[in-house]
Amino acid sequence: GAGVSQSPSNKVTEKGKDVELRCDPISGHTALYWYRQSLGQGLEFLIYFQGNSAPDKSGLPSDRFSAERTGGSVSTLTIQRTQQEDSAVYLCASSLWGTPDTQYFGPGTRLTVL
Amino acid sequence: QQQVKQSPQSLIVQKGGISIINCAYENTAFDYFPWYQQFPGKGPALLIAIRPDVSEKKEGRFTISFNKSAKQFSLHIMDSQPGDSATYFCAASIRGELTGGGNKLTFGTGTQLKVEL
Repeated sequence: GAGVSQSPSNKVTEKGKDVELRCDPISGHTALYWYRQSLGQGLEFLIYFQGNSAPDKSGLPSDRFSAERTGGSVSTLTIQRTQQEDSAVYLCASSLWGTPDTQYFGPGTRLTVL
Repeated sequence: QQQVKQSPQSLIVQKGGISIINCAYENTAFDYFPWYQQFPGKGPALLIAIRPDVSEKKEGRFTISFNKSAKQFSLHIMDSQPGDSATYFCAASIRGELTGGGNKLTFGTGTQLKVEL
C-alpha cells in the first residue's frame, strides 16, 4: 500500500514569503506528526494531530508556524514570513490509533529560504 | 538542552564487521527507545525498538543493548553490509505524552554509517 506522501519534495522561497507544505498520511492512520530536520541535527517535533481532536502544538518554534488537518486526513504546515533559519527538511509521519510507537515517515519537503 | 546524545557522528566499518552506535539520555521518564534508519532522500524508517524492562533485543543482525542505570542504549549491527550504509538515529519517547495520546520522539543527532567492501 501507499506510504506517507509529501509535496512538494523541494521548495525554494525568498525570505519573508509564506509557504505551505502538504502531507498525505497512510490511509486509516488517525495520528499525524510534523517534524523538522535541520542540517546536522536530529529531528525536532513540531505538532501532532489525533483524529479530529485539538492538536498538540507544543513543538512549534514560533507563531509564524501553523498547521491544520482537514477531514482527519491531509495536513498542511504553513510557515509565514519565512526566515533563513527555517531552511530544513520538514517530515510528516503517521500512525494508527493505539499504536503511537510505530510512526511511518514520509520522504520530506526540503525547504530553502534565500 | 539535548535530551538524547548520540555518538559517533560518523562511522566507517569494513564489510562483515560490527557497527556500534551509542546513545545516552537524560529524562528517566522515557519508556520507549527506537532506532531509525534513513537513506538519502528518504524519510526515517523504524529499524528496531526496546522498552526499559529488558536489557537486550535482537532482530536479525540488529541488536539493541539497554542499560537503564547508566541511561544508555546502543545499536549493534553484526556482519555489516554495504547496504547498511545509511544514517542511523536513536530516539526516545514517553508513551502517550502528547495531548491525544501520541508519542513525541526526541531524536539524537544521527550517525552516518559507511560500510566499505
